[in-house]
Amino acid sequence: GQNIDQPTEMTATEGAIVQINCTYQTSGFNGLFWYQQHAGEAPTFLSYNVLDGLEEKGRFSSFLSRSKGYSYLLLKELQMKDSASYLCAVTPGANNLFFGTGTRLTVIP
Amino acid sequence: EPEVTQTPSHQVTQMGQEVILRCVPISNHLYFYWYRQILGQKVEFLVSFYNNEISEKSEIFDDQFSVERPDGSNFTLKIRSTKLEDSAMYFCASSLRWRETQYFGPGTRLLVL
Repeated sequence: GQNIDQPTEMTATEGAIVQINCTYQTSGFNGLFWYQQHAGEAPTFLSYNVLDGLEEKGRFSSFLSRSKGYSYLLLKELQMKDSASYLCAVTPGANNLFFGTGTRLTVIP
Repeated sequence: EPEVTQTPSHQVTQMGQEVILRCVPISNHLYFYWYRQILGQKVEFLVSFYNNEISEKSEIFDDQFSVERPDGSNFTLKIRSTKLEDSAMYFCASSLRWRETQYFGPGTRLLVL
């Protein structure tokens, strides 16, 4: 079976840094993606990791440890518009994405 | 910037009716997908499509569902006889290559009464 665990909700202050963790147990692994989803909207791509280590992209960074089945998304210099759900997704098999339930982040002033 | 488009944005139908959801993937992408998200739940994979055939499908994608690429631009999802539990947001996605980033359309919110 497949399982992805993420915290359900997090709150952080504008301008701060927040780390959203994701652990996965899947039958296979061909990459891990982070998506942002505002309420009622489509997921939008943030980052992709297939090898261990840190990928940095502006205010967003994502880390992967395949041996631990662990990833995190780091958001720096938080802005109010970063309030959204953050979805961790794994490609376990051929080409489909298996999503976690997402972490709802609320940024407060 | 190229994007995936979907029509309609909302659809209301009666149980037992057929619905067709339409998508226009990004023009040079080769792989197409359908996902659904029941309100308050996670995004779930339905089907992937490449070279005019289904390459992978989930347990959700039973005989009531079908996909088609009727021309060079559209990609459709048909639900033959809708059930109440088919009410969800349906997202189309596309990717340029195998196992590359999938870009999602804005979704069609389907409500089955």
